[in-house]
Amino acid sequence: AQRVTQPEKLLSVFKGAPVELKCNYSYSGSPELFWYVQYSRQRLQLLLRHISRESIKGFTADLNKGETSFHLKKPFAQEEDSAMYYCALSGQETSGSRLTFGEGTQLTVNP
Amino acid sequence: KAGVTQTPRYLIKTRGQQVTLSCSPISGHRSVSWYQQTPGQGLQFLFEYFSETQRNKGNFPGRFSGRQFSNSRSEMNVSTLELGDSALYLCASSLKGMGEAFFGQGTRLTVV
Repeated sequence: AQRVTQPEKLLSVFKGAPVELKCNYSYSGSPELFWYVQYSRQRLQLLLRHISRESIKGFTADLNKGETSFHLKKPFAQEEDSAMYYCALSGQETSGSRLTFGEGTQLTVNP
Repeated sequence: KAGVTQTPRYLIKTRGQQVTLSCSPISGHRSVSWYQQTPGQGLQFLFEYFSETQRNKGNFPGRFSGRQFSNSRSEMNVSTLELGDSALYLCASSLKGMGEAFFGQGTRLTVV
């Protein structure tokens, strides 16, 4: 079974402060990990995926297979980063796109 | 290019009725997945269709069913509606069913 855990439902930081959204997963095979974001009144959209190793909007995430984690980080948070963030996993063993989502973390960046 | 389109955006149904939701994927995308989003359970995978065939199925009762047409458009049907079926139903499309999934705005279903 595959599972994704985001321990913080709410996270509040001040503008310019570093932010880290935690994500832990449980999966026996080789997972593909994603971070999706939902801004207010917008659709869910991909922020980044681990195989791309990109930095999107200043966010980065590193897959740590030893700790089964995929934490999302940004060194200096901006007010426009306020949104709902979901960590998601796709298992290679299940052909096709079946995403298992965490419960999400609501990030608020205060001025 | 046009994004994933879901219709209708809002629905109100009574218990026992059935409902059909529609999803038009991004042009060229052959995989369509459906998710149920509720405050208590979060985002849960319902099923995925690829080239008109159901390829993956989540842990939902048989009242939830779907299909995909030759143009990749997909429909989801829920029969004998229950109050607990009230949720936001999201559709996502991807090119081959791997990698990035593009989500629609969702259909908000309220069962009364």
